[in-house]
Amino acid sequence: EVQLVESGGALVQPGRSLRLSCAASGFTFDSYEMNWVRQAPGKGLEWVSYISSGSKTIYYADYVKGRFTISRDNAKDSLYLQMNSLRAEDSAVYYCVRAWGWYFDLWGRGTLVTVSS
Amino acid sequence: QSVLTQPPSVSGAPGQRVTISCTGSSSNVGAGYDVHWYQQLPGTAPKLLIYANNLRPSGVPDRFSGSKSGTSASLAITGLQAEDEADYFCQSYDSSLSAHVVFGGGTKLTVL
Repeated sequence: EVQLVESGGALVQPGRSLRLSCAASGFTFDSYEMNWVRQAPGKGLEWVSYISSGSKTIYYADYVKGRFTISRDNAKDSLYLQMNSLRAEDSAVYYCVRAWGWYFDLWGRGTLVTVSS
Repeated sequence: QSVLTQPPSVSGAPGQRVTISCTGSSSNVGAGYDVHWYQQLPGTAPKLLIYANNLRPSGVPDRFSGSKSGTSASLAITGLQAEDEADYFCQSYDSSLSAHVVFGGGTKLTVL
């Protein structure tokens, strides 16, 4: 089955770090660009970061630049998001998303990150 | 404040036609970048509904259609069904330095 499964979400205090993982299966992972997209409770979708298939090109949204790091391990069919210096406004469901060009054709179910003291 | 502007809500009776607008600017939709649409059913992850302005992925009913003109795009749903009740988001690429992917704020479709 073609799917993306996120993990690593948790309740964390402001200023702390968290690492999200995404396991891909059912397709040739290293052929696809990948992204992280988040959604705060009851809010809209917000793009977080992009990584090319071979990790050569990486982009971040301004609101996470310098704090978050996207990476991937094609040998393990996995995508990661290292989140440092977390803030309350980073609280959201984080989706691992497969891209084809600049649209997103496969979404995981998401993992919830809550930043609170 | 989302970069792409959508109406917060629309509604329609079963069988009717509804449209959802998505208005951008000269750095995204107006620059010629494609618009894509996603459907998010309650409690689930978003799903690709329309890509490249008017193309449907396999499995999406032809009741859903998209169009684009200038700095705006629209999603039309004909023959409205109860299971269409969901949130709909438009998305495009943005060439400004501060963003690459931009979304609309989402539109809640209520089937009366």
